[in-house]
Amino acid sequence: RKEVEQDPGPFNVPEGATVAFNCTYSNSASQSFFWYRQDCRKEPKLLMSVYSSGNEDGRFTAQLNRASQYISLLIRDSKLSDSATYLCVVRSYNTDKLIFGTGTRLQVFP
Amino acid sequence: DAGVIQSPRHEVTEMGQEVTLRCKPISGHNSLFWYRQTMMRGLELLIYFNNNVPIDDSGMPEDRFSAKMPNASFSTLKIQPSEPRDSAVYFCASSPSGAGAEAFFGQGTRLTVV
Repeated sequence: RKEVEQDPGPFNVPEGATVAFNCTYSNSASQSFFWYRQDCRKEPKLLMSVYSSGNEDGRFTAQLNRASQYISLLIRDSKLSDSATYLCVVRSYNTDKLIFGTGTRLQVFP
Repeated sequence: DAGVIQSPRHEVTEMGQEVTLRCKPISGHNSLFWYRQTMMRGLELLIYFNNNVPIDDSGMPEDRFSAKMPNASFSTLKIQPSEPRDSAVYFCASSPSGAGAEAFFGQGTRLTVV
C-alpha cells in the first residue's frame, strides 16, 4: 500500500464549479500536510499547508482528519487557470521525509 | 535567492553511459530531496539528506543509482550505467528541517536514455 494515495482523476469540471479532492495517508506519525500544485512540464509548487483546524485561502479550503487519516482540498468557483495536477504531501515527524501522492488532475473547461 | 538550481535541464544519453545530475539547494536549507517523476509512478522519493548526511536511501531503485552531498550547497545524483527505463524527470528539492516546513523544487532534469 502506498503511503499517500489519491484519486488520479481526471476531474473535468466547468468554470464556476466546486470540486473536492481527497487524499489518504498510512503513516500515523505523519506530522505536516500540504497541497502542492503542478502545472504541465513544471515543478511542483506549494499551494497551501494544511492545519489541524482546517484553513482557507481565498477559494481554496483544506481540511485534515487525523482520526481517519485523510486530507481534503476544496476549490470553489473554479477558474480555467486552476487546471493542473494537485499533489497531496505528508511529512513525517520522526523521519522528516516528504512523501507525495501521485496527484489528482483537474481540468476546468469554459 | 535564485531558488533551487538543477543542471542540466535536459539530458539525452545512450544506454550504458554514465549520467550525473546536479543540484544547488537554497542557502540555509538543511534538508535536500531527490525525486523521480514518471507518468506511471508519479513522484517517487529516491533519497534525502539532512545536514549533508544521507538519511534514507530506501527509494533508490538499485545499485546503479548513487547520490552524494559533499557540502551544504551541492548534491549529485549519478546513474551508472544508464538504462532506457531510467528516462524520467528528476527533481531536487530543499527545505528547512522540521514539521511544517515546505519544500522548494528545482525546475527538474528531463532525462532520456536511448
